Amino acid sequence: GAGVSQSPSNKVTEKGKDVELRCDPISGHTALYWYRQSLGQGLEFLIYFQGNSAPDKSGLPSDRFSAERTGGSVSTLTIQRTQQEDSAVYLCASSSIVGDPPTGTQYFGPGTRLLVL
Amino acid sequence: AQSVTQLDSQVPVFEEAPVELRCNYSSSVSVYLFWYVQYPNQGLQLLLKYLSGSTLVESINGFEAEFNKSQTSFHLRKPSVHISDTAEYFCAAGGTSYGKLTFGQGTILTVHP
Repeated sequence: GAGVSQSPSNKVTEKGKDVELRCDPISGHTALYWYRQSLGQGLEFLIYFQGNSAPDKSGLPSDRFSAERTGGSVSTLTIQRTQQEDSAVYLCASSSIVGDPPTGTQYFGPGTRLLVL
Repeated sequence: AQSVTQLDSQVPVFEEAPVELRCNYSSSVSVYLFWYVQYPNQGLQLLLKYLSGSTLVESINGFEAEFNKSQTSFHLRKPSVHISDTAEYFCAAGGTSYGKLTFGQGTILTVHP
């Protein structure tokens, strides 16, 4: 497909379970970002990848959150021991140009809606 | 740390009326500004962006925004809105070398017939 895809589109889990969220960026995009959209918190940056490395993980809210990217393409965001406050829409974005200035437009996926019961 | 403030959480307006969605940012370094739109049950789409050059930027569907450095603002305007413009609008700023975006809280624009 031409756009950023994310799976699953919806995920319902029980408190304490682990979940994995997947992002397929646009082919050739070297930069990949994860954001979280929740009521009351708006859109928050979580982590940024350039290739397979993550120079900035400063937005990850706790050590229960981790992410990896393989082959410079697909990324997985893992949340361990989920809590109810983790309920949110998790958005992935990718960009083709990274540098100074950052002229690459970030293209967003449709998101994964996570509900922790 | 960079911050973005959208002054109105909700803006109701009648069809064909003008609208302004306000956005202010705080940054002491170079800043790049964006407006994204999120239609109901859809993902974020870039509406327009300011990187450098002309301070007035336009989108293909009639929106425009003006970068005002002295007022640290990047307000979004449209002279005549349509029902289809009903959506949530997010202002965002990027100022780092890798383009991490800081978003405002969003403004829900509701266009009434």
